[in-house]
Amino acid sequence: ILNVEQSPQSLHVQEGDSTNFTCSFPSSNFYALHWYRWETAKSPEALFVMTLNGDEKKKGRISATLNTKEGYSYLYIKGSQPEDSATYLCAPTDSWGKFQFGAGTQVVVTP
Amino acid sequence: GAGVSQSPRYKVAKRGQDVALRCDPISGHVSLFWYQQALGQGPEFLTYFQNEAQLDKSGLPSDRFFAERPEGSVSTLKIQRTQQEDSAVYLCASSLRGIDRVSDTQYFGPGTRLTVL
Repeated sequence: ILNVEQSPQSLHVQEGDSTNFTCSFPSSNFYALHWYRWETAKSPEALFVMTLNGDEKKKGRISATLNTKEGYSYLYIKGSQPEDSATYLCAPTDSWGKFQFGAGTQVVVTP
Repeated sequence: GAGVSQSPRYKVAKRGQDVALRCDPISGHVSLFWYQQALGQGPEFLTYFQNEAQLDKSGLPSDRFFAERPEGSVSTLKIQRTQQEDSAVYLCASSLRGIDRVSDTQYFGPGTRLTVL
């Protein structure tokens, strides 16, 4: 079982501000890392899958970086909008391929 | 195309009742997963099917939990003699290939929120 930590647990952002948060995981035996966005009453939505050290992925105003040597990934939201309000989950996989989710970072964007 | 669907979306059960939760994965997806999400925590793995074969059930919390996928498509998670600690959101996900394809995306349903009184 991987020890996955996400921080902060929650954050409040003013509309238009940028923000970022962290997913930490054991650096040994890295296989892949998945990011999801989960809005209330909806299905978790896949954002990124990252596999290589130094990977950077971007989708609109959201981007992510990966450092497998030190065991962390950052997710950035540029110019936050109310529709970005959601819980963001990261999930590294173990050697079998099972997702090991963190507890998530809850983002609230206020107008 | 249709995504992963789950039913019911909400279920209230009295302690001791049996419940059955249904998952309809994306058509043609080989892998199907069940997760349990307790309040304030991330989803936790329960069990994994590759087609109709249940290859991993290491996350099922007790023998009251049982899952099946008899024809390799629809899956049912059954909880017998529900307890209050079973209250959680139960998520189902499917992916195109086997679990060993670690970079394959899992596509999630909206979950079933189970409340045991």
